[in-house]
Amino acid sequence: KAGVTQTPRYLIKTRGQQVTLSCSPISGHRSVSWYQQTPGQGLQFLFEYFSETQRNKGNFPGRFSGRQFSNSRSEMNVSTLELGDSALYLCASSLGDSSIGYTFGSGTRLTVV
Amino acid sequence: GEDVEQSLFLSVREGDSSVINCTYTDSSSTYLYWYKQEPGAGLQLLTYIFSNMDMKQDQRLTVLLNKKDKHLSLRIADTQTGDSAIYFCAERKDGATNKLIFGTGTLLAVQP
Repeated sequence: KAGVTQTPRYLIKTRGQQVTLSCSPISGHRSVSWYQQTPGQGLQFLFEYFSETQRNKGNFPGRFSGRQFSNSRSEMNVSTLELGDSALYLCASSLGDSSIGYTFGSGTRLTVV
Repeated sequence: GEDVEQSLFLSVREGDSSVINCTYTDSSSTYLYWYKQEPGAGLQLLTYIFSNMDMKQDQRLTVLLNKKDKHLSLRIADTQTGDSAIYFCAERKDGATNKLIFGTGTLLAVQP
C-alpha cells in the first residue's frame, strides 16, 4: 500500500513568486491536512480538507490556500512568497471523521530566496 | 492558549530507558499522540492513547497519561542508537476535526 506522496521534495523560489505543492493521500483516505514546520514556530496546522471541502483552517494569512480534488489529492498554494515562508510543508492523510491515525508524507522543503 | 510543551533535549546511553515528557493544554483533548521525526524525514506515528486511558504499552514503548495534570510521557525501554530523533507529542481536541496541536519537540540523543 503506497504511503502519502508529496511532490516536489525540494523547491527554491524567489520572493514574490507563488508556489503549488501537491499531496496524494493513501488510497481510500478522504482527509488531507497540511502543516508548516519551521525551527522558530514548530509544527503549525494550516488547513484540512475532507471530501473536497475545507473543514478547518489555522491562523495563516490568505496567501495560503488549498484545495482537494475528487480523487482526494490535495494541493496547497502560497502566493506572494516571503522569506519567512521557507519551511518544511507536511501533509497528513486519514480515513475521515472517526479515524485515529494520521499518516504523514515526507514533506516538501520550500526555500524562499 | 494552544502551547503544548516539551523539554528540548534528552541524552541517554544505549540500553538505558528514555522518558520524554509533554504537558498539553486542553483537558477535553480526546486523543494524544507521539510522533518521531528523523533528519530530513516526515513524521512517523509511534503510538497514541485515548484520553480515558492511563497507560498504554506497545513493545518497547510505554505511554503514561495523567489527565488531572495534563501530563503525557513516553518511555522507551532499552534505547538504541536508531531511536535518536526528534519526538513530538500532539493533542487532538475533538473527534470532528483532524487538527493536531503539536508540542515543541524533544531531541533524543542516544550515546553508544
